[in-house]
Amino acid sequence: GENVEQHPSTLSVQEGDSAVIKCTYSDSASNYFPWYKQELGKRPQLIIDIRSNVGEKKDQRIAVTLNKTAKHFSLHITETQPEDSAVYFCAASLSWGKLQFGAGTQVVVTP
Amino acid sequence: NAGVTQTPKFQVLKTGQSMTLQCAQDMNHNSMYWYRQDPGMGLRLIYYSASEGTTDKGEVPNGYNVSRLNKREFSLRLESAAPSQTSVYFCASRGQNIQYFGAGTRLSVL
Repeated sequence: GENVEQHPSTLSVQEGDSAVIKCTYSDSASNYFPWYKQELGKRPQLIIDIRSNVGEKKDQRIAVTLNKTAKHFSLHITETQPEDSAVYFCAASLSWGKLQFGAGTQVVVTP
Repeated sequence: NAGVTQTPKFQVLKTGQSMTLQCAQDMNHNSMYWYRQDPGMGLRLIYYSASEGTTDKGEVPNGYNVSRLNKREFSLRLESAAPSQTSVYFCASRGQNIQYFGAGTRLSVL
């Protein structure tokens, strides 16, 4: 089955700096890669996603890149703000929309 | 439009007790999912239902059963709870590839 690895597990950045989270996946048939943000005690919420026919997607301060050959994808957050502090999960989609999640990255933005 | 609603929000069980976690969505989605979330392990798929009337196992199905009661509702049952099932449980439904999550059920098994 699919296996998704996510790094780093924790990331501390100064406000205004950029944050990058990287994920690798094992199943070359995976074709959809969402990123979820989860604040403490809350539900995961989709922040951005990318499909396998696209190499990069941007939405304001966040962007995702996908390298299908290397089977890895990354989340980039620019100009980080304290409200970006949360746990971020990458995922890869299997059949029937099943998602295999990475273990998560705790991002801490310090003022 | 409430999205995905889960009940209860919190539950404490003794080892061997049974319970059912309820999930309902009002977005007319065909597919629904149950995940568990443990510290440092992300979300792991327990069971899913691709459409009304169908269910299938995910990554960690042992100790659980599910019922897709109708298009709106997908319940998760623990027949004989074990301490290893202490976790946060999330239900989700999928529309246009996007999975929408409920608020979660925090379950402790003593």
